[in-house]
Amino acid sequence: GAGVSQTPSNKVTEKGKYVELRCDPISGHTALYWYRQSLGQGPEFLIYFQGTGAADDSGLPNDRFFAVRPEGSVSTLKIQRTERGDSAVYLCASSPPNSGVAGELFFGEGSRLTVL
Amino acid sequence: GNSVTQMEGPVTLSEEAFLTINCTYTATGYPSLFWYVQYPGEGLQLLLKATKADDKGSNKGFEATYRKETTSFHLEKGSVQVSDSAVYFCALSSYSGAGSYQLTFGKGTKLSVIP
Repeated sequence: GAGVSQTPSNKVTEKGKYVELRCDPISGHTALYWYRQSLGQGPEFLIYFQGTGAADDSGLPNDRFFAVRPEGSVSTLKIQRTERGDSAVYLCASSPPNSGVAGELFFGEGSRLTVL
Repeated sequence: GNSVTQMEGPVTLSEEAFLTINCTYTATGYPSLFWYVQYPGEGLQLLLKATKADDKGSNKGFEATYRKETTSFHLEKGSVQVSDSAVYFCALSSYSGAGSYQLTFGKGTKLSVIP
């Protein structure tokens, strides 16, 4: 069975450019998360979707970051006017319905973003 | 807010050595505790978990016990193998108050096991 798929695996861009990162979760998983992992750090929460709606976007660092999940499956993380400090690995994770506080998250391999 | 502190690496052990990776946490309420592992070239995957005080999570020879009195969840393995070389992340899950159960991760500990 397919796991969580993220594309691109690597993205190099210039400061000020727009970037889109895509996540295709495991089929049937209703919950979808985006995390960001900077070098030498653990993953940090960005945003959570339950179905199509962003139920919790409290981790987005500023209004340059936006994410959508229009049909309740694939999600796209969008970063406008990229800055060098946005360089990190962006992780997507999904989980089955009703997972709750003890539910396992299934992670993709991440998209490594480098802003020059 | 919630936080997780784990011992810094890297940790280098010989095959069959005993492993301990310390993890302590700060959280409100009653979090669930996890160890995730990231093998080279792969995504994070769940290694084990515990959902309440005194629970012991175990998998692949690894164990960790949820100690509420010391707010700890140390990872142990009696005899490591070369294939255990990976980065290990301690994490806690709690309700965010904004509609989601969020994982809060430690910084990770890189383990290298040499033959």
